[in-house]
Amino acid sequence: DTGVSQDPRHKITKRGQNVTFRCDPISEHNRLYWYRQTLGQGPEFLTYFQNEAQLEKSRLLSDRFSAERPKGSFSTLEIQRTEQGDSAMYLCASSHTRTVDSGNTIYFGEGSWLTVV
Amino acid sequence: AQTVTQSQPEMSVQEAETVTLSCTYDTSENNYYLFWYKQPPSRQMILVIRQEAYKQQNATENRFSVNFQKAAKSFSLKISDSQLGDTAMYFCAFSTGGFKTIFGAGTRLFVKA
Repeated sequence: DTGVSQDPRHKITKRGQNVTFRCDPISEHNRLYWYRQTLGQGPEFLTYFQNEAQLEKSRLLSDRFSAERPKGSFSTLEIQRTEQGDSAMYLCASSHTRTVDSGNTIYFGEGSWLTVV
Repeated sequence: AQTVTQSQPEMSVQEAETVTLSCTYDTSENNYYLFWYKQPPSRQMILVIRQEAYKQQNATENRFSVNFQKAAKSFSLKISDSQLGDTAMYFCAFSTGGFKTIFGAGTRLFVKA
């Protein structure tokens, strides 16, 4: 396993621009999660997928945010018309449900830092 | 609503000593999982230890152990023989089987030489 990978690792964008982040989960992990983390805080849940189906979305996920996971593999998180308040680290995580012993443990990527100026 | 509370924003410990980080949670579920994650400065979040609520025995992983008190909804992390590399943010987290994991606000731990 190569771990969860995220791209880009850092993004600086001007307010009003659109940005897209990509996440490649651990291979064969059927669940994929997006979280947002601001400095000094814990990760806040945004959304999660089981295979290609988006099963839950947080109220934090405004209509400017959209996430997809075509074919149940990698996922993208797009933020349209970015605002300064969107500046944060966007974390992707994945997990599997193959065994009861998985205990829903989620494994994180290194995160994508977004700075909106 | 399910919540996770970490009441210690910051703690410090001398190298080689023992420190305990506190966590309480609130849920009406009977089956769930509890976790401690570590996030070193500017580095990836990694799992430290996991506890299944149906197991009465406290989980241990080398120098890390938990004190799980289900009735009190308490889940503390004990780090023995603290090392400089233990300096990090520590997050307590909660999950019911198969759904989102909820995190506390974190405790920043400094290990002093």
